[in-house]
Amino acid sequence: EVQLVESGGGLVQPGRSLKLSCVASGFTFNNYWMTWIRQAPGKGLEWVASITNTGGSTYYPDSVKGRFTISRDNAKSTLYLQMNSLRSEDTATYYCTRFRVSYYYFDYWGQGVMVTVSS
Amino acid sequence: DIQMTQSPASLSASLGETVTIQCRASEDIYSGLAWYQQKPGKSPQLLIYGASSLQDGVPSRFSGSGSGTQYSLKISSMQTEDEGVYFCQQGLKYPTFGSGTKLEIK
Repeated sequence: EVQLVESGGGLVQPGRSLKLSCVASGFTFNNYWMTWIRQAPGKGLEWVASITNTGGSTYYPDSVKGRFTISRDNAKSTLYLQMNSLRSEDTATYYCTRFRVSYYYFDYWGQGVMVTVSS
Repeated sequence: DIQMTQSPASLSASLGETVTIQCRASEDIYSGLAWYQQKPGKSPQLLIYGASSLQDGVPSRFSGSGSGTQYSLKISSMQTEDEGVYFCQQGLKYPTFGSGTKLEIK
């Protein structure tokens, strides 16, 4: 059974940093691209970052480029999201997802972890 | 960025009724369209990928169709457990999502 379990969320002040982790199990982690997606309270879904299966390439939308860094440790089947210079608009539930490059979709999602940016 | 326009924003349906949700892309996405269902307090679950392929374990009353810029999700016989919010998503370029359709039982 595929499982994605996020951790590391919490309350953080604006301008500070936070690092999220996602431990994957039930599949061969290093065969898949992985992605972080977020959802602000009561809002829609927003793509945050993607990483290729080897970790050799990463992709970000303009809203987080230069502030967020996605990385992975294939030996530990773990995905990370380093978030720096956090803003109030980064407040959201962050989901770790497995990305399928065949038709560009997300077939498994973690339960999500809440990040609140507030003073 | 490719914009996804989803409609309607909300609807209510009776048990057994057929429901259709529409999604329009700002440019051709060549069937790179997926549909997700999200229930309150839960993470989204994949229903359809590649515009019309049913994800394993998803009931056959769900179906997807469309091509080019126009896509739709159909629920052939509304059930209580189908209540939730439905999102479309394209991934041809950077992934973008529709704004969601809230589906309730009438």
